[in-house]
Amino acid sequence: RKEVEQDPGPFNVPEGATVAFNCTYSNSASQSFFWYRQDCRKEPKLLMSVYSSGNEDGRFTAQLNRASQYISLLIRDSKLSDSATYLCVVALGTGNQFYFGTGTSLTVIP
Amino acid sequence: ETGVTQSPTHLIKTRGQQVTLRCSSQSGHNTVSWYQQALGQGPQFIFQYYREEENGRGNFPPRFSGLQFPNYSSELNVNALELDDSALYLCASSGWTSGRPTYNEQFFGPGTRLTVL
Repeated sequence: RKEVEQDPGPFNVPEGATVAFNCTYSNSASQSFFWYRQDCRKEPKLLMSVYSSGNEDGRFTAQLNRASQYISLLIRDSKLSDSATYLCVVALGTGNQFYFGTGTSLTVIP
Repeated sequence: ETGVTQSPTHLIKTRGQQVTLRCSSQSGHNTVSWYQQALGQGPQFIFQYYREEENGRGNFPPRFSGLQFPNYSSELNVNALELDDSALYLCASSGWTSGRPTYNEQFFGPGTRLTVL
């Protein structure tokens, strides 16, 4: 069983749309949670950390439900520049080892 | 730019050969993690080094090995290459950033794209 399950998409949405990504994780001992963004043929870059209380960064809102072992990312007012793959990440172990989902591909269409 | 560098950028090898990939961590970071990313997949955790010791390993066979040097740079070695080893290999560092511990966040290098023929 994979540590992190994520819908690979693709999601094709018009500019200005609201889009939501979800993922689930299997290990209840998971300690930290993140969303990373990866552009085509580039390295992953941190988009935001995810907290149980929910957190917002501009147009992006992340939510964590520990009881359901579920993580979400909401993007409002989508921009063309939001087109990328969004990776759900959980961290485990003493060294905070990262386990990634498959990634969800988003294309924002003009 | 994260300050994490990797070399080489691209590499082509044939089955059965051995390869060494290199990573220089960001200044102040003493932890390096290696990941394999196959096409269309998320990165998969290979192993992590903390202060020159292996500090966790993912589900990869022993022909994947590594080490970390006193300056915290790191190498990933893969022996007896197989076609399925073709992937982007990512290195990520963590540690102290701007004077505070940021082990929670990992900073990725640009990766080495390995092709095995």
